[in-house]
Amino acid sequence: EAGVTQFPSHSVIEKGQTVTLRCDPISGHDNLYWYRRVMGKEIKFLLHFVKESKQDESGMPNNRFLAERTGGTYSTLKVQPAELEDSGVYFCASSPRGSSYNEQFFGPGTRLTVL
Amino acid sequence: SQQGEEDPQALSIQEGENATMNCSYKTSINNLQWYRQNSGRGLVHLILIRSNEREKHSGRLRVTLDTSKKSSSLLITASRAADTASYFCATTGGYNKLIFGAGTRLAVHP
Repeated sequence: EAGVTQFPSHSVIEKGQTVTLRCDPISGHDNLYWYRRVMGKEIKFLLHFVKESKQDESGMPNNRFLAERTGGTYSTLKVQPAELEDSGVYFCASSPRGSSYNEQFFGPGTRLTVL
Repeated sequence: SQQGEEDPQALSIQEGENATMNCSYKTSINNLQWYRQNSGRGLVHLILIRSNEREKHSGRLRVTLDTSKKSSSLLITASRAADTASYFCATTGGYNKLIFGAGTRLAVHP
C-alpha cells in the first residue's frame, strides 16, 4: 500500500512568488492534516480536513495560505505571496476515520525555501 | 511553546549506548506519542502510551509517562547508527491535531 506522498520534495522561490504544495494521502483516509516546521522550531499544526471539509484551520498563519481538498482525495496548500518567514518543511499526514487512537501517517515533507 | 520543552535538544552517543530523551507537556492528555524523523524523510510513528499507562515497551524502545509531572521519557537501548534522527513527542489537541515538542536530535556514532 502506498504511503502519503508529497510533491514537490523541494521548492525554492523568491519572495512574492506563489507556490503550491500537493499531498496525496493514503487511499481511503478521510482525515488529512497539514503541519509545518519552521527552521529549528517545533512542528506546528496548520489545518485538518475531513474528506473535503475543513474541520479545523486554527493553525493557518494568515490569509496568504489557502488549502483545498476538492473531492476529498488529494490536497493542495498554496502560499501567495510567499514571504521569507514561510521557509520550512511542510508535512502532510493522513489517518482513517474513527481510529481508535490517533496515529497519523506522515509524508516525507516539502522543503520550501523563500529567498 | 504549545507543548513545552524536550530535553536534551541534542544528544550524541556511541553505538551500543542507551539514549534517553525527555518531554514535558502542559495540558491534560489522553495519550502521548513519540515520532522519529530521519533526515529528509517524514515522521514515523514509534509508540503511543495512554494516560492510564506508566510504561510501555516496543523492541528497543521504552517509554514512560508521569502524568503528575506532565512528562514522558523515551529510552532507546543498545543504540545503532541507524537510530540517528530527530525524535518528537506529541500530544493530541482538539479534533485530534498533534501538538509537538521541539524535538531532540540524536546522533549515534559507529
